[in-house]
Amino acid sequence: RKEVEQDPGPFNVPEGATVAFNCTYSNSASQSFFWYRQDCRKEPKLLMSVYSSGNEDGRFTAQLNRASQYISLLIRDSKLSDSATYLCVVNSEYGNKLVFGAGTILRVKS
Amino acid sequence: GAVVSQHPSWVICKSGTSVKIECRSLDFQATTMFWYRQFPKQSLMLMATSNEGSKATYEQGVEKDKFLINHASLTLSTLTVTSAHPEDSSFYICSAGTDGGTYEQYFGPGTRLTVT
Repeated sequence: RKEVEQDPGPFNVPEGATVAFNCTYSNSASQSFFWYRQDCRKEPKLLMSVYSSGNEDGRFTAQLNRASQYISLLIRDSKLSDSATYLCVVNSEYGNKLVFGAGTILRVKS
Repeated sequence: GAVVSQHPSWVICKSGTSVKIECRSLDFQATTMFWYRQFPKQSLMLMATSNEGSKATYEQGVEKDKFLINHASLTLSTLTVTSAHPEDSSFYICSAGTDGGTYEQYFGPGTRLTVT
């Protein structure tokens, strides 16, 4: 079983749609959780950290369920510029190492 | 803040030659830097963790004699791919961690290596 699992997609959605990505992780000792965004042939960029209480940043909402070891990302009112690969990232049992999911591809079309 | 640069952004080299990639944290000090490799349509795979002033810690399956890492200062780490072969062609990305305890990492723009 992979340490971080994501639905690879692609998710093809129209502009303005709401889309949700899910992620599960296997290491119950993980303490830090993130969503990164990666554009084609570019480096990953931190989108947001994920906290137990849930957090929102504009059109983006992240949720964490520690009991189920499940992380989600909700994007509202999708824009063309949201098209990218979204990476679910969790710190490993070795502390500051990060483990990346394979990524979920989002394509927003006009 | 938290800007990381990498140089070069792309390089083409002949099989058997060595290539050095630099990673710099521009506006903060990074006691730990990480080196990743990403093959097409795959996610990032951690190669090694680089700590300033000490030897790097390599992930299982990564040859330390082939991928030489030096972290000589709090703002600079280098990765040298020695005797490169076509199968080493990949996207190499470094990142630097902040010391806030939240394990966030900030990534350099990556170096695309093509070995012919």
